[in-house]
Amino acid sequence: GENVEQHPSTLSVQEGDSAVIKCTYSDSASNYFPWYKQELGKRPQLIIDIRSNVGEKKDQRIAVTLNKTAKHFSLHITETQPEDSAVYFCAASKAFSGGYNKLIFGAGTRLAVHP
Amino acid sequence: DAGVIQSPRHEVTEMGQEVTLRCKPISGHNSLFWYRQTMMRGLELLIYFNNNVPIDDSGMPEDRFSAKMPNASFSTLKIQPSEPRDSAVYFCASSLAGLSDTQYFGPGTRLTVL
Repeated sequence: GENVEQHPSTLSVQEGDSAVIKCTYSDSASNYFPWYKQELGKRPQLIIDIRSNVGEKKDQRIAVTLNKTAKHFSLHITETQPEDSAVYFCAASKAFSGGYNKLIFGAGTRLAVHP
Repeated sequence: DAGVIQSPRHEVTEMGQEVTLRCKPISGHNSLFWYRQTMMRGLELLIYFNNNVPIDDSGMPEDRFSAKMPNASFSTLKIQPSEPRDSAVYFCASSLAGLSDTQYFGPGTRLTVL
C-alpha cells in the first residue's frame, strides 16, 4: 500500500524566513496531494492541495511543488509569521473506482516561527 | 454552514467501559472517515464509508472497535471494552467523493481511558 514519509519532523525558523517541508510517496498511482495545518488543540485544516497533472501551485505565501518522476512533493512557506507555527501534514491518495479517496498521511512537521 | 459535528468533545471513562463517539458529516457529503491521532502513531485512518457502506476497515485496530453509518447524516465509532491505550483524539472527516477529494475534519473527541 501507499507509504508517505515527511521531513523534517521539526523545523524552527525566524520570522520572515522561508520554510520548506518535503514528502515522498511510494505509490506511483497516487494523484492527489493535500497539505493540512493543525494548530495546537485544533482540527487539521486543508491549506493547499495539488493534483498529479500540475507541477506547482501557489496561494499567497504558500506553494506546493510536485515531482512525479521522483515521487516527492514539497510545501514552501515564504515570509513566515508567528501564526504559521503549527504541525503540518502532507498526504497522498489515489481515486478509486467510484471516486472515493483514501488519504495516507505523513507523520507531520512541527514548525516553530520565532519573532 | 455547519461543518462536521462530533460529540462528545471530551470523554473520560474507566477501563472496560463502552465508549461511543458520534459524527455528523457535512450535508451532501457521501464519504466519511474516522481517524485516530496520538503522539506516537500520528494520524491513522481507522475506517471509511462511501454512501454509508464501509469500504476499508483495515485500520481498525482490533475487534473491540466497531463503526456504523446507519444513514447519510450519522456515524458512530464504538469501543467495547475500552483500554488505556485507546486514549487519543478521534477525528471524523467527510468529503464529496467524485467531485472533490478535500476532506473536512470535525473538531475531534479527546478520549481518556483511565
